[in-house]
Amino acid sequence: RKEVEQDPGPFNVPEGATVAFNCTYSNSASQSFFWYRQDCRKEPKLLMSVYSSGNEDGRFTAQLNRASQYISLLIRDSKLSDSATYLCVVNLSGGSNYKLTFGKGTLLTVNP
Amino acid sequence: SQTIHQWPATLVQPVGSPLSLECTVEGTSNPNLYWYRQAAGRGLQLLFYSVGIGQISSEVPQNLSASRPQDRQFILSSKKLLLSDSGFYLCAWIDQNTGELFFGEGSRLTVL
Repeated sequence: RKEVEQDPGPFNVPEGATVAFNCTYSNSASQSFFWYRQDCRKEPKLLMSVYSSGNEDGRFTAQLNRASQYISLLIRDSKLSDSATYLCVVNLSGGSNYKLTFGKGTLLTVNP
Repeated sequence: SQTIHQWPATLVQPVGSPLSLECTVEGTSNPNLYWYRQAAGRGLQLLFYSVGIGQISSEVPQNLSASRPQDRQFILSSKKLLLSDSGFYLCAWIDQNTGELFFGEGSRLTVL
């Protein structure tokens, strides 16, 4: 299994659609999980952290399944401005020794 | 508040030429600092990280090197660039409380 593996994409969806991204990770001891967003030719920026109990921020919902070692991101009511690459990020080393490993990203295009 | 700057933003270099990318962080002390590279069509690859002055850990063997001459300064160098060194180089620091990575705006390197 690759260290952090995401849906390859790309995803093309109409405005208002619901879209889900999945990501698997290799180290069961991993403790920190994140979703980052990267606009074209820009630096990545944190979208949201992923907590064990799952968390929601407006139209975005993140979930963690430790047993299956995957995290997910759900975007509801997609907007044109949601078009970007979404990166799954995992601290594979566990604990406070932060060495974050990024997935290759999934490109989302929301169409009018 | 903390800010991170890196430069130059864009550079085109011939094969075999040297490289120096610089990154500085403001508004925090003793940060953990990182250099990542994002090659075309690939995910972010961790190149180096540093937990303090003069302390560098290399993740991938290559012709690049890093140095941390001051607490908030992180430099990426090469004596002789290869074509495969082309990519988008990103410096980052981490908020140890939240695990969030904050990236600089990136340096886009093209080796010809």
